[in-house]
Amino acid sequence: KNEVEQSPQNLTAQEGEFITINCSYSVGISALHWLQQHPGGGIVSLFLLSSGKKKHGRLIATINIQEKHSSLHITASHPRDSAVYICATSPLSGSARQLTFGSGTQLTVLP
Amino acid sequence: ETGVTQSPTHLIKTRGQQVTLRCSSQSGHNTVSWYQQALGQGPQFIFQYYREEENGRGNFPPRFSGLQFPNYSSELNVNALELDDSALYLCASSMGVRSETQYFGPGTRLLVL
Repeated sequence: KNEVEQSPQNLTAQEGEFITINCSYSVGISALHWLQQHPGGGIVSLFLLSSGKKKHGRLIATINIQEKHSSLHITASHPRDSAVYICATSPLSGSARQLTFGSGTQLTVLP
Repeated sequence: ETGVTQSPTHLIKTRGQQVTLRCSSQSGHNTVSWYQQALGQGPQFIFQYYREEENGRGNFPPRFSGLQFPNYSSELNVNALELDDSALYLCASSMGVRSETQYFGPGTRLLVL
């Protein structure tokens, strides 16, 4: 059974700071998702990674398959980045795309 | 906007009652997954439906059941509600069971008293 752990659990930053959120998992996966959840509850997919690095605006996501670790970076953070960030893994096998989620990182960016 | 909608947005029930939550997927998405998210936790997989058949189930008892309809809508039914069923219920649709990208709805927040 895959265990997905995120750190830190809570993070408070000042506007403009560089932010890193970490995710580690225990078994091989086919892909890793980074998701953003705002207070209303809806989840938006930020990145889908199977190797290497992806960049979208001020967001960068990396994954190291050998070390079973992924990071989400936010450059020049802004108060509107305040949300819960969740990583989730897709299994290598199985008929259902059963995602396993981390418990999330609550990010608060202060003006 | 993901194109996935859920209803109702909020719901209050009492212990022992039954509840039906609804999800409308993106057109053409033949796979829907349901998740339960307790306060302060990550979502937990309940089950997945593909072409109107259950296609995988997480660690949830049989009182959690579902239906998927040909019009890309689906339901999550929970019988004999318990206090611990209080959570945010999310559905996510995708194109095929092997699709990596899932599109999440806004969720239904259920409170069981």
